[in-house]
Amino acid sequence: SQQGEEDPQALSIQEGENATMNCSYKTSINNLQWYRQNSGRGLVHLILIRSNEREKHSGRLRVTLDTSKKSSSLLITASRAADTASYFCATEANAGGTSYGKLTFGQGTILTVHP
Amino acid sequence: GAGVSQSPRYKVAKRGQDVALRCDPISGHVSLFWYQQALGQGPEFLTYFQNEAQLDKSGLPSDRFFAERPEGSVSTLKIQRTQQEDSAVYLCASSLAWVAADTQYFGPGTRLTVL
Repeated sequence: SQQGEEDPQALSIQEGENATMNCSYKTSINNLQWYRQNSGRGLVHLILIRSNEREKHSGRLRVTLDTSKKSSSLLITASRAADTASYFCATEANAGGTSYGKLTFGQGTILTVHP
Repeated sequence: GAGVSQSPRYKVAKRGQDVALRCDPISGHVSLFWYQQALGQGPEFLTYFQNEAQLDKSGLPSDRFFAERPEGSVSTLKIQRTQQEDSAVYLCASSLAWVAADTQYFGPGTRLTVL
């Protein structure tokens, strides 16, 4: 079963604009990760934010995490046509024991960036 | 260096046939995961290996699904008596260690179509 929901389901923007995607989840987590998937390169890890972090940056990516609301957002600034892909959030649950990295993915947001 | 590879990339099976999907993880990676991704959905966890030990098979949908990693490197996911609902992309991922938050590297997947 999917852990959470992502919204929007699809997002269409022009090159240069910013894209924001949101993810909600249900259980207590160790960390939350964002992945990108396109037909050319498969599923690629973008960024990880731990449960005790509130914001993280990597290049044009900014991720926020609000554990009280069980939600996260991914912001891509100055988007490019090459950013066109599906974006998934994935959570690693805090099950109280030793965690080995099992991920639960959301349903994804399809981002289209028009040149 | 070489990433995670999977074979075959595409597999068409008639209902009732057995199939075997292969995953070659990154050399030296301890952890290996299998995920199933239905069309338009995020990946869903199937099973986890730490070296040759299968520590979690809670995601396997039925006893027709079987996975092994006998020497702690290559893994095979076998599906017996395939059904149409087994049609999906099967993704393999590996990570260096067995701790939380270790980056998982995904293979390109095997797209299984059951007719």
